This record gives sequence, structure tokens and C-alpha cells, in this order.
Amino acid sequence: GAVVSQHPSWVICKSGTSVKIECRSLDFQATTMFWYRQFPKQSLMLMATSNEGSKATYEQGVEKDKFLINHASLTLSTLTVTSAHPEDSSFYICSADQETQYFGPGTRLLVL
Amino acid sequence: DAKTTQPPSMDCAEGRAANLPCNHSTISGNEYVYWYRQIHSQGPQYIIHGLKNNETNEMASLIITEDRKSSTLILPHATLRDTAVYYCIAPLISSGSARQLTFGSGTQLTVLP
Repeated sequence: GAVVSQHPSWVICKSGTSVKIECRSLDFQATTMFWYRQFPKQSLMLMATSNEGSKATYEQGVEKDKFLINHASLTLSTLTVTSAHPEDSSFYICSADQETQYFGPGTRLLVL
Repeated sequence: DAKTTQPPSMDCAEGRAANLPCNHSTISGNEYVYWYRQIHSQGPQYIIHGLKNNETNEMASLIITEDRKSSTLILPHATLRDTAVYYCIAPLISSGSARQLTFGSGTQLTVLP
């Protein structure tokens, strides 16, 4: 089946720093990738849709200048959390679309 | 997306079939039904999807009623590793666009030894 990887799997950073999370489709090419966020005991919330070679589309309430998305190739999308604060601590999950969405294992971010 | 309704939780004995229901009474003719599951602290895992015919794969079977207003995911022989939150999603398919998935609360399936 289609495999999606994320790196890192977990990260701890200080408040005010930036963190980059990578999402890769390992055995297929994906024109579209998605980024989700999940807080404890809640469901996944779509943050943005990432399209290769074009600007990402952000969901309402998600700050595009804070969550920078780059989809430079058909197998890689990156999410950068800029000037992270403790309230950005969450589980970030990406998915890649190949007729259906296949999800990465997630990245747990803790901002101190 | 069509609104889907699932029971918040279910228990199932190990080795028995787990039948997870989903109501999607407002589904339209071109909306598929997708099932995913999320084991604790992992990314969601695709299980199966269908439009109007019943589907089966190595993981599960999907039974869709003739009027398409509801469906049932069947795990034929549940194991402890099937304990997870199961999501039933009916995304609107836009021509030429990737389908966005809206995750509801899902059903917490607990497989008991």
C-alpha cells in the first residue's frame, strides 16, 4: 500500500523558535497533500491543503503566516511552525492523496 | 461532505465480528463512504471505501444499504490490535480535485480479551 512518512516523529522546542516538519510520500507521487492538527481527546482538524507548485489553501482560522507550507516536489511537503508558542503544542499529521488519502504517522510537537 | 453519525463507543469480544454502524442519510449520489481508523497516538489508517456496492478487502467488509443512507463496517475476527477510533466519512467529490476529509468524533471500538 501507499506509504507516507513524517519527520521528525516528535520535537520539543523553546517558545519563539521555528519548527519544520517534513511529509514524504515514499512510493507514489502526490499532487495534493493535506496537513491536520489534533489536540488531546479531539478529532483531526484540517489545517491546509498543499498543492505541488502552488500556494497552499488554508482553512478558516489557520494563520498562513504562522504555519508555512511548501510543496516543492510531488513527494515532499513541509510545514513550518514559525515563532512557536505553547498553544501550538499538538499532534500534526499529514496525508497524501492517491485516489484516497494515506496518512503519515504524525509529529508530536511540544513547545516549552 | 455529507453528515455522518456514529455511536461514540462499542465493545467487541476478541475473535468475534465487530459491526460498526454509520448513518449518512443526507449522502448524495456521487459521495463515497470512506472508513479510517486511528490507533492511539498514530496517524489514521485507511480501511475501505465504497459508493453503492458492498466491498471487501483484506482488512474489512463494507455493507452499504440500498438507499445509501447507512453503512456498516465489519471486522470479521476482531483482535486486540483492532482497538481504535473508527471514522466514517463521506467527502464530496469535486471533479479534478483531491477529496477533503472531515473527521467527526468516530466510534471508539474496544476489543476485549
